[in-house]
Amino acid sequence: DIQMTQSPSSLSASVGDRVTITCRASQSVSNYLNWYQQKPGKAPKFLIYAASSLVSGVPSRFSGSGSGTDFTLTISSLQPEDFATYYCQQSYRTPPTFGQGTKVEI
Amino acid sequence: EVQLVESGGGLVQPGGSLRLSCEASGFTFSRYNMNWVRQAPGKGLEWISYIESDGSTIYYADSVKGRFTISRDNAKNSLTLQMKSLRADDTAVYYCARDRSVFCYESWGQGTLVTVSS
Repeated sequence: DIQMTQSPSSLSASVGDRVTITCRASQSVSNYLNWYQQKPGKAPKFLIYAASSLVSGVPSRFSGSGSGTDFTLTISSLQPEDFATYYCQQSYRTPPTFGQGTKVEI
Repeated sequence: EVQLVESGGGLVQPGGSLRLSCEASGFTFSRYNMNWVRQAPGKGLEWISYIESDGSTIYYADSVKGRFTISRDNAKNSLTLQMKSLRADDTAVYYCARDRSVFCYESWGQGTLVTVSS
């Protein structure tokens, strides 16, 4: 199975900060990398697919980059509604696997 | 509007069985691949099963293979997960999720909690 490792596991930030989350795959996943946001008690929300394509309706302050094994999710200016846990996930090979999550806290 | 509504969760004893359902609306269900993804309390996300739009291809995670069965009824816009030989580590919120492309989950239900405990 392809292992996905996110860093950091948690971070503290303030409104307006630029935040970067890293996701590393144990082998190349090309650009088959997706990002999700999850708030407590809620289902995950689809943010980015194919490493850098923003889902319709997601604010443009979110962006993704990378290919192969190293990927990043960037929030250019953190807003109050962005405090949540973020997961990367590879869809390159079965079984699809998720990172352990990065919790973004105030 | 795409809606996915899971049901069937609850408390079950170890070794028991449970059947989860996911009712879909707001889209042409028969055109989409579907998945079950679970999340143990306080833990991350784990994919557990996939079924292709016409039911022709099915995959399972090793953790549930031989114990869980995914199926769908395109006429009823319904996805099912039959679970047997349940263990304590199957305790989780179970989500159904619609694919945008294979294993890329663009829509999620609200989840249903399964608790395996004596």
